[in-house]
Amino acid sequence: KNQVEQSPQSLIILEGKNCTLQCNYTVSPFSNLRWYKQDTGRGPVSLTIMTFSENTKSNGRYTATLDADTKQSSLHITASQLSDSASYICVVSARGSTLGRLYFGRGTQLTVWP
Amino acid sequence: DAGVTQSPTHLIKTRGQQVTLRCSPKSGHDTVSWYQQALGQGPQFIFQYYEEEERQRGNFPDRFSGHQYPNYSSELNVNALLLGDSALYLCASSPDTRDSPLHFGNGTRLTVT
Repeated sequence: KNQVEQSPQSLIILEGKNCTLQCNYTVSPFSNLRWYKQDTGRGPVSLTIMTFSENTKSNGRYTATLDADTKQSSLHITASQLSDSASYICVVSARGSTLGRLYFGRGTQLTVWP
Repeated sequence: DAGVTQSPTHLIKTRGQQVTLRCSPKSGHDTVSWYQQALGQGPQFIFQYYEEEERQRGNFPDRFSGHQYPNYSSELNVNALLLGDSALYLCASSPDTRDSPLHFGNGTRLTVT
């Protein structure tokens, strides 16, 4: 069964600290993995997309890693800011059609305290 | 350049009623996907439209139907509403290429009473 599991479910950190969010998946055949940020009451916004051959991709203070062998990804946030408070969703795409079938994790709810 | 726009932003319906949600994709995007997101959950794929045809469908009953117009805008229709249909309904658009990011609208919050 194709699944995407994220951990932790929720996380509280102090402003300025770093944190790492985890994503494990069983989706096969794998096409790509995406990380999205979803502010409360808003739609998700894409942070990174990684294909099979990419190990690391950065977007400002966000760095995503991918280990396609172990089917694990992480999202590292550096020097957190209050505006980083949001749900972070891992999405894995399966090959099989032009766009592929997307599998969503339940998200990690990050809260950054001043 | 407007992104993905959805209307209405909020909606309250009673059980058994029908609802239509609307989505205008980002300029240049021809593929529209609809998702249902319950509170505290990740989005669940409902279906995807391309060239005015439903191309893929998730595990949703036939009460959920859609349409895509020649200008790529799309509608999601839900018949015979149930309490469990209460959720945030997200529309996402993209060009028809494998590794393109999805651009999401801010959703329609549907409450069924």
